[in-house]
Amino acid sequence: DVKVTQSSRYLVKRTGEKVFLECVQDMDHENMFWYRQDPGLGLRLIYFSYDVKMKEKGDIPEGYSVSREKKERFSLILESASTNQTSMYLCASTEGPTLEQFFGPGTRLTVL
Amino acid sequence: QKEVEQNSGPLSVPEGAIASLNCTYSDRGSQSFFWYRQYSGKSPELIMSIYSNGDKEDGRFTAQLNKASQYVSLLIRDSQPSDSATYLCAVNGKTSYDKVIFGPGTSLSVIP
Repeated sequence: DVKVTQSSRYLVKRTGEKVFLECVQDMDHENMFWYRQDPGLGLRLIYFSYDVKMKEKGDIPEGYSVSREKKERFSLILESASTNQTSMYLCASTEGPTLEQFFGPGTRLTVL
Repeated sequence: QKEVEQNSGPLSVPEGAIASLNCTYSDRGSQSFFWYRQYSGKSPELIMSIYSNGDKEDGRFTAQLNKASQYVSLLIRDSQPSDSATYLCAVNGKTSYDKVIFGPGTSLSVIP
């Protein structure tokens, strides 16, 4: 089974802190994605990556950056956390031919 | 702007009934279609994928695709209380370089 893991299930940070969210997949998938999910707004794509050291902006990249130094690991960085970044963050990886996305368990981030 | 729309919920059905979930999409070039189930507080999990016109059955689930009408649906037969969740429709383009677009989701409640 595909396994996508995220570094934390729950995280509480203060405004202005730098926040790292890590995602690791064990199925050698090329493509990895970061979403945030908020009530009433659905899943929104922040960034995605098709290969090591490659990144593409999604629909809401402002305030975020990403890093993909190894194929299995995709990190989301909040350079200076703000309260409007309080959300559920979901990482996913995609099996190339079928395009089916496999999600990690999510990180519920609260910024105080 | 590519869009995916789903019938507004919440949808309530009695146990044992058929639940019908609908989804329309705006991009005629879309090639891959997915249904994800998301339990409250959990991450989405893939339950069905469909790539060609017609019906695809998997146990109690049937996905139906009509590309001419830009319409995809999910039928759940013999609905169970454990089917109570939010169902997300997702649509992708031809290649893995196309972003997946998720619909807002439909909340289903199966009443015992």
